[in-house]
Amino acid sequence: QKEVEQDPGPLSVPEGAIVSLNCTYSNSAFQYFMWYRQYSRKGPELLMYTYSSGNKEDGRFTAQVDKSSKYISLFIRDSQPSDSATYLCAMRPEYNFNKFYFGSGTKLNVKP
Amino acid sequence: GAVVSQHPSWVICKSGTSVKIECRSLDFQATTMFWYRQFPKQSLMLMATSNEGSKATYEQGVEKDKFLINHASLTLSTLTVTSAHPEDSSFYICSASRPGQNQPQHFGDGTRLSIL
Repeated sequence: QKEVEQDPGPLSVPEGAIVSLNCTYSNSAFQYFMWYRQYSRKGPELLMYTYSSGNKEDGRFTAQVDKSSKYISLFIRDSQPSDSATYLCAMRPEYNFNKFYFGSGTKLNVKP
Repeated sequence: GAVVSQHPSWVICKSGTSVKIECRSLDFQATTMFWYRQFPKQSLMLMATSNEGSKATYEQGVEKDKFLINHASLTLSTLTVTSAHPEDSSFYICSASRPGQNQPQHFGDGTRLSIL
């Protein structure tokens, strides 16, 4: 079983829809959670960074962490065609600053 | 703006040559940088952790002599693919974290390496 599971998609939605992207994980020691957006042939770009459980909002993006369920989500409101990309979740434990675990990425397509 | 710069973005070279990829942290000193390889439609595969002033830590299955990593300064790490072969063709991405314990990784824009 992988440490981090993420549905590869593709997920196709109409412009303006609310998008929900999710990851599950197995290691209860994970405390730091990240979401990255990666356009084709580009490096991942950090979107959200959260610690422990709870919600964090930044513009159209909301990151949600439920540690009891080992489940994290990224919500995108009013999705735009420019949001079409692959979204990677990542996480790491409290005790190891250099050990990051990545999901396989979900490909999102927002149709005009 | 970008916090990690990677160069070149794309390189094509003949089989047998060596290729050097540079990774720079732009506005902070990075004692640790990371090198990843990404195959099409797959996630990031950590190759090695680059430590300033010391040897890199390679992941299992990654050939140290094939992928030479040098982290000579606090803002620069280099990955040299030696005697490259077509199977080394891939997308290579570096990353770095700002100083401090609770920092995420910031990625460069990647290098597309094509070996003919």
